[in-house]
Amino acid sequence: AQSVTQLGSHVSVSEGALVLLRCNYSSSVPPYLFWYVQYPNQGLQLLLKYTSAATLVKGINGFEAEFKKSETSFHLTKPSAHMSDAAEYFCAVTEGGSQGNLIFGKGTKLSVKP
Amino acid sequence: NAGVTQTPKFRVLKTGQSMTLLCAQDMNHEYMYWYRQDPGMGLRLIHYSVGEGTTAKGEVPDGYNVSRLKKQNFLLGLESAAPSQTSVYFCASRSARGKAAYEQYFGPGTRLTVT
Repeated sequence: AQSVTQLGSHVSVSEGALVLLRCNYSSSVPPYLFWYVQYPNQGLQLLLKYTSAATLVKGINGFEAEFKKSETSFHLTKPSAHMSDAAEYFCAVTEGGSQGNLIFGKGTKLSVKP
Repeated sequence: NAGVTQTPKFRVLKTGQSMTLLCAQDMNHEYMYWYRQDPGMGLRLIHYSVGEGTTAKGEVPDGYNVSRLKKQNFLLGLESAAPSQTSVYFCASRSARGKAAYEQYFGPGTRLTVT
């Protein structure tokens, strides 16, 4: 069965520093991969997705992620953190099978220090 | 275009009470989902539906029932609430085809407390 591992439940960076949030997946078939962001007391919003086209995917708010099949990874990066990036980030992978349900990681809470 | 809406936003129940959470979407999506979110657990799928009149169990279905009588609505019911069902509940929907397939759109959530 597919699974998603997000390394680090909490990540803290300074404003202007690089943001790196890690996601590894296990999948027996080529997956679709997603990063969602959740701001406090809100629902989840799609940041970006990988659907077997380009391996480097650009999303909203300056985020991007690179699909590395050999490492089964889909890490999220942003060159320069902004205070408004403070949120919880979830990586998700398609479950496989015809339903295409998503399996979510446990989330990484990003704090940005001034 | 409201997207996915959820009613109510907050609710407090006593153990043993029942309630229904309503999810509505105006994007004509075929698939709809109910998740629960607990601290440190991510999102876990409760039930889902692939179309009007159909429902299926997810990862954590016990204690919940669902119905999808209309394509745009997906109801989540708790027949006899338990403190373990204290959580934030999210509804999501997605299209079955096209470039946005597999991309789920989420509602704002319902915060439920069972005392």
